Amino acid sequence: ETGVTQSPTHLIKTRGQQVTLRCSSQSGHNTVSWYQQALGQGPQFIFQYYREEENGRGNFPPRFSGLQFPNYSSELNVNALELDDSALYLCASSPPDRGLIYGYTFGSGTRLTVV
Amino acid sequence: GNSVTQMEGPVTLSEEAFLTINCTYTATGYPSLFWYVQYPGEGLQLLLKATKADDKGSNKGFEATYRKETTSFHLEKGSVQVSDSAVYFCALRIGGSQGNLIFGKGTKLSVKP
Repeated sequence: ETGVTQSPTHLIKTRGQQVTLRCSSQSGHNTVSWYQQALGQGPQFIFQYYREEENGRGNFPPRFSGLQFPNYSSELNVNALELDDSALYLCASSPPDRGLIYGYTFGSGTRLTVV
Repeated sequence: GNSVTQMEGPVTLSEEAFLTINCTYTATGYPSLFWYVQYPGEGLQLLLKATKADDKGSNKGFEATYRKETTSFHLEKGSVQVSDSAVYFCALRIGGSQGNLIFGKGTKLSVKP
């Protein structure tokens, strides 16, 4: 059984640019969530997708957007990058019970550096 | 609002020492509680969970009991190993359709041989 895979693993962007991060969810998982983990902090919830629809959003501005595809993979897009967007971005997937029983499976993350 | 507070680290222990990492929470409703572990350069792994009051989660020698009266979910292990060195996150999830996790800031554990 494959886990959650994220790409790329590391990325350097310039302030003001746009970035797309990708996530392939674990087989059988139809819910995908994205989290931002700043250095030395706990992960913060960005948003969740269920059946290709956004199904909850944390306290992040609209320049953070996402997509979920029919195969349940997902993208996180960030426009107009700011220095404070530098962080580890984690993708998590869960089975149809939405993590109620089995919890979430996390990927290894994408380390984004904005210069 | 909903939040999680963990003891600040880093925590440094000798091998075979007893470990306690404190976690308290504030929540509206009845949360499920989790401990996740993050090894260097990796994502988060679910260590254990408890979904209702008085439940005890356990895995790999780690234990935590859901205490509603003290709103706590402290992580314990009787004898730590060098391989337990990692960052530990306490988290809660309020039930319902959204179900996102709310994390504490994490506690770094270093175990010396």
